[in-house]
Amino acid sequence: QVQLQESGPGLVKPSQTLSLKCTVSGGSINSGGYDWSWIRQRPGKGLEWIGYVHYSGSTYYNPSLKSRFAISIDTSKNQFSLRLSSVTAADTAVYFCARVVRTSRKFDFWGQGTLVTVSS
Amino acid sequence: QSVLTQPPSVSGAPGQRVTISCTGSRSNIGAGYDVHWYQQLPGAAPKLLISGDNDRPSGVPDRFSGSKSGTSASLAITGLQAEDEADYYCQAYDTSLTGSDVVFGGGTKLTVL
Repeated sequence: QVQLQESGPGLVKPSQTLSLKCTVSGGSINSGGYDWSWIRQRPGKGLEWIGYVHYSGSTYYNPSLKSRFAISIDTSKNQFSLRLSSVTAADTAVYFCARVVRTSRKFDFWGQGTLVTVSS
Repeated sequence: QSVLTQPPSVSGAPGQRVTISCTGSRSNIGAGYDVHWYQQLPGAAPKLLISGDNDRPSGVPDRFSGSKSGTSASLAITGLQAEDEADYYCQAYDTSLTGSDVVFGGGTKLTVL
């Protein structure tokens, strides 16, 4: 059974850069049949897809979001990461990582999520 | 405003049947792309509930079923139970010029009366 676990700071100051990691266990991140994705959920709101990365390093982002996001992958550590620059209070959210099946675009495994609060 | 439209809330009594709609467009559901449904229990991560319109992952009760017609999809829950109280999200692939690759519905809160 594939498991994903987010890690990173729970509190970030405005204008700083947020960095989160997602560690994958129970399966290889090198599998070509999947993309690895980040999704966030602002307090009391719905799911917002941020983007995903393939093991090859190719990425795709939600065009509705500003280009402050960067997703990368480290296959040697079976991890992928999210960086969000110039954070504001509007970036306060629970951030989830998930595995995406390429052929169907379904998110079949999710991490438990990590709450990130942007505050001085 | 979400690309896929869901009712904000639905409710039903234990044992009843409820449905949750998900309305899209010709660039997503109407184009024939799979619709997936997720259940998010309070304080938890979303869980894949229905995939490929009406496939249930292992462990999901057959009380949950999905369907699709035209530019809309629906999730049906029969024999409603207290533990079904959760938020439900639909999701699909989208190919519109202004849309994103992945689109979610705004979510529907199910209350079991």
